[in-house]
Order: sequence, then C-alpha cells, then structure tokens
Amino acid sequence: EIVMTQSPATLSVSPGERATLSCRASQTVSSNLAWYQQKPGQAPRLLIYGASTRATGIPARFSGGGSGTEFTLTISSLQSEDFAVYYCQQYENWPRTFGQGTKVENK
Amino acid sequence: QVQLVESGGGVVQPGTSLRLSCEASGFSFRSFGMHWVRQAPGKGLEWVALISYDAGNHQYIDSVKGRFTISRDNSKNTLYLQMNSLRTEDTAVYYCTRGAKEFDYWGQGTLVAVSS
Repeated sequence: EIVMTQSPATLSVSPGERATLSCRASQTVSSNLAWYQQKPGQAPRLLIYGASTRATGIPARFSGGGSGTEFTLTISSLQSEDFAVYYCQQYENWPRTFGQGTKVENK
Repeated sequence: QVQLVESGGGVVQPGTSLRLSCEASGFSFRSFGMHWVRQAPGKGLEWVALISYDAGNHQYIDSVKGRFTISRDNSKNTLYLQMNSLRTEDTAVYYCTRGAKEFDYWGQGTLVAVSS
C-alpha cells in the first residue's frame, strides 16, 4: 500500500496570503496524484488531477506541482472561501490512498 | 448536470447487513468506473471499493474484503454496496464517486452508524 503523508496538519494563513501544502508518497506515483478540497458538511471537490491539471471550474489561484514522490498544492492568494481541509490522493496503485489532510485555517 | 445521490444508510447493530445505493444521472453511467469512499466521524477519507464500467473489475480495501460487495445495474444507472458483518469501525459517511483515475464527481454521502 502506498502511504500518503501530508504536511503540515494545520496551516494558518491570512486572506490574500500564499499557502503551500505538501504531500509525500511512500513510493513513486508518477503524476497519478489528485488534490481535493472539503468544507465542513460537504463532499470533497476535485481541484487538481495529474498532479498539475486544474479540474473544470477551479480558479487559477490553485496550482499543483511535483511528480514521483513529492507534490505541492499552492493557493496563490487565499480567499475566504478557501478555508477548508485539503487531501491528496494517489491513483497509481490499488488500494487508492489519501493523505490525512491539511486544514487551512484563518490566521 | 452530473448528480450522484446515495441512500440506504442508517443505524445498525454489529454483525448485521446494510445495502447502500447510489443513483446516477446527467452522464453515461455505463461508461464510467465507480467507487465508494468513506469518512469516519472527524477523520479523513478512505477509499473502499471500485467497480469498473462493465463490472469486469472489482477492487476492495483489505479491511472490507469478504464482507462488502460492490455492484452496479447499468440499466438502472445505480451503484450498490452490500455490507455484511458490519463492525463498529465501519461507522462513516459513505460517498459514491465517479472516475477511472481521479474522482471527479461525488455524491452528498449517506451515514452508516454501527452501534450496539
């Protein structure tokens, strides 16, 4: 099983600031990595797939990078609606696995 | 637009069974692999099972193998999860989600609570 590790667990950011979230895989997943956003009481929403491709309707302030075992999600200028929990997920191997999540909170 | 609507959750005792359903609309259901993903209260996301578009391929997380069965009825645009021998650790919101690789659409989830 590929273990996905996200850091930090919590990120305190002020609106307008840049946020950088990290995700590490225990073995290579190539570019088979997605990022999801989840707000309280809601289902997750796909943000990024293929490590760096924005999903339909996702604002350009969200960007993904990396390949192999190290990945980042960057929110260039945090908006109030971006406070949420973010998960990375690999789809290189079975079982599909998620990171434990990074909570982005208002500083 | 794409919609996934789960149903069938509830409160059950350990050792009993439950069947979840997910009704799909707004896309060609028979063309897509489908998954169940769960989230225990206050915890992260855990992928549970996959069924390929033609039901020819099934995958499960180890903790549910032999207890859960994923199936689909393409004539009814519906995905199912038969859950037997339920355990307290199966308590979670269960989401159905679409995708061969990334999960691009999600339902709103249905809560399964296993408690004595």
